[in-house]
Amino acid sequence: AQSVTQLDSQVPVFEEAPVELRCNYSSSVSVYLFWYVQYPNQGLQLLLKYLSGSTLVESINGFEAEFNKSQTSFHLRKPSVHISDTAEYFCAVIQGGSEKLVFGKGTKLTVNP
Amino acid sequence: GAGVSQSPSNKVTEKGKDVELRCDPISGHTALYWYRQRLGQGLEFLIYFQGNSAPDKSGLPSDRFSAERTGESVSTLTIQRTQQEDSAVYLCASSSFGTNYNEQFFGPGTRLTVL
Repeated sequence: AQSVTQLDSQVPVFEEAPVELRCNYSSSVSVYLFWYVQYPNQGLQLLLKYLSGSTLVESINGFEAEFNKSQTSFHLRKPSVHISDTAEYFCAVIQGGSEKLVFGKGTKLTVNP
Repeated sequence: GAGVSQSPSNKVTEKGKDVELRCDPISGHTALYWYRQRLGQGLEFLIYFQGNSAPDKSGLPSDRFSAERTGESVSTLTIQRTQQEDSAVYLCASSSFGTNYNEQFFGPGTRLTVL
């Protein structure tokens, strides 16, 4: 069965520092990959997704993630974070032909001034 | 409607009682999903509806859990004889259906606390 691992449960960083949130998944056979974000007291929102094509995908607020098939990874990065990026970030995978999203346990990103 | 809505937003119940959670998907979305998020855990898939039928119920944790959908719209998740381990945030999502993956839009969730 497909599984998703987010090794870091909490990541504290200072404002304007770079950040990488790690995500690994168990099978690279025909997968679609996603990062969802949950801001405090809000619902889950899609941040970015990889379906096919270019392995580097970007969000509108400066995050990017790269699909690495050989390492079965989809790490999320931002070169300079803002306090408003404080949220919980969930990596998720869906296998081709399935409708079931499989989520990691989430990483709480805290950006301090 | 603007997005997926869920009610109630919070529910506190006593162990052994039945609860019903409601989800209103985005209008026109044919696919509907239920997930559960327990404290410190990722989201667990519970059940998926395509129209009014449920081709995948594999995530329902026990026969105390059931869900239905009517009119290709509203869905209710029912938990009978609630237990303390049922305490979680229950999330509903909906999507349009096509040949490629379609984004799942999530509701705000129902926080269930079983005392």
